[in-house]
Amino acid sequence: DAGVTQSPTHLIKTRGQHVTLRCSPISGHKSVSWYQQVLGQGPQFIFQYYEKEERGRGNFPDRFSARQFPNYSSELNVNALLLGDSALYLCASSYDRTTNEKLFFGSGTQLSVL
Amino acid sequence: RKEVEQDPGPFNVPEGATVAFNCTYSNSASQSFFWYRQDCRKEPKLLMSVYSSGNEDGRFTAQLNRASQYISLLIRDSKLSDSATYLCVVNYRTGGFKTIFGAGTRLFVKA
Repeated sequence: DAGVTQSPTHLIKTRGQHVTLRCSPISGHKSVSWYQQVLGQGPQFIFQYYEKEERGRGNFPDRFSARQFPNYSSELNVNALLLGDSALYLCASSYDRTTNEKLFFGSGTQLSVL
Repeated sequence: RKEVEQDPGPFNVPEGATVAFNCTYSNSASQSFFWYRQDCRKEPKLLMSVYSSGNEDGRFTAQLNRASQYISLLIRDSKLSDSATYLCVVNYRTGGFKTIFGAGTRLFVKA
């Protein structure tokens, strides 16, 4: 069975641009969450979606948005990119609806903002 | 104060040693707790869940102390392959669901 897949694996953008990151969960998983990880830090929670509805949101500005599609895949959008948005963006899927237990992570998208 | 705090280490231990990590959390409404392992340049992977009654999986034991708001992970008989960053994770619901990771504790096991 395929694990969580993310695309693209690497991305280079310039300040002010917009970026869309994509995630496909493990088959049967209806919950998807997004995280930002900078070097030397743990992943920071951005969003959680379940059944196409936002269930949780971290402390990120409104430039960050996400959505989940009927097939449970998800997109993370970041507008007006800043240098500080350079990070590894991780997507995780989970079978659990409310507790986000047992997260399975994709290998991430490395975003560089120049 | 960070919501989840861990000693960043690094912990340098010889093979066969026993090593313990602690993690403290600030939100008393926290509902579920986990330890994840992250190898260099890889994604985090679930190591184990943490319960008040304790949870043991082979050489690994995790414990939750709700009164003191800390979580522990004990690794016995350390192996070279245990070298990694160990992330403490706390879930809670305050006006919406949140999953909070600690910054991680680095472990190096040496021959």
